[in-house]
Amino acid sequence: EAGVAQSPRYKIIEKRQSVAFWCNPISGHATLYWYQQILGQGPKLLIQFQNNGVVDDSQLPKDRFSAERLKGVDSTLKIQPAKLEDSAVYLCASSLVQGSSHEQYFGPGTRLTVT
Amino acid sequence: AQRVTQPEKLLSVFKGAPVELKCNYSYSGSPELFWYVQYSRQRLQLLLRHISRESIKGFTADLNKGETSFHLKKPFAQEEDSAMYYCALRRYTDKLIFGTGTRLQVFP
Repeated sequence: EAGVAQSPRYKIIEKRQSVAFWCNPISGHATLYWYQQILGQGPKLLIQFQNNGVVDDSQLPKDRFSAERLKGVDSTLKIQPAKLEDSAVYLCASSLVQGSSHEQYFGPGTRLTVT
Repeated sequence: AQRVTQPEKLLSVFKGAPVELKCNYSYSGSPELFWYVQYSRQRLQLLLRHISRESIKGFTADLNKGETSFHLKKPFAQEEDSAMYYCALRRYTDKLIFGTGTRLQVFP
């Protein structure tokens, strides 16, 4: 099966600019996750969707970050305006359903550099 | 608060040597623990989970609730084991909490 797809793979922007990332999960996967991984740290969950509804966005900086999954398939994560500390790899993951022992499958990530 | 601690940033061993990657956690409920691995230029992927009690690529991990640990072990390291290893804890909402990771380097 095709894996989780993300684009772009790399992005360099200046602070205060906006940026958007796209994720296409594995077909049929109802749950989608966005993680932020800062250099030297483990991934940190930003937001979790179950179909097109938000399950957990407690660690999403809502003053500048937004995410949507309008049709319950693809998702976009936006940052506006970006700050230097947003430099990180943004990982998208998906799983078949929430709960149980369903594995999360990760995409290749988008490396964001804010200058 | 839930937390996963991996005390070693880097672990270097020679091929054939035993490996133990340490992971300690803090969680008030019944934890579900995982090890994820990221090989060079590859995606983060699940290595093993404690509920399966399985051995994957020669690696095992036992959940020790008394010591709140979930150390990853392999009796004889191989060069292809060189990678970044992350311990993770799952909460009831499916949220994974990751440690900071340990880079394993296996020298020939």
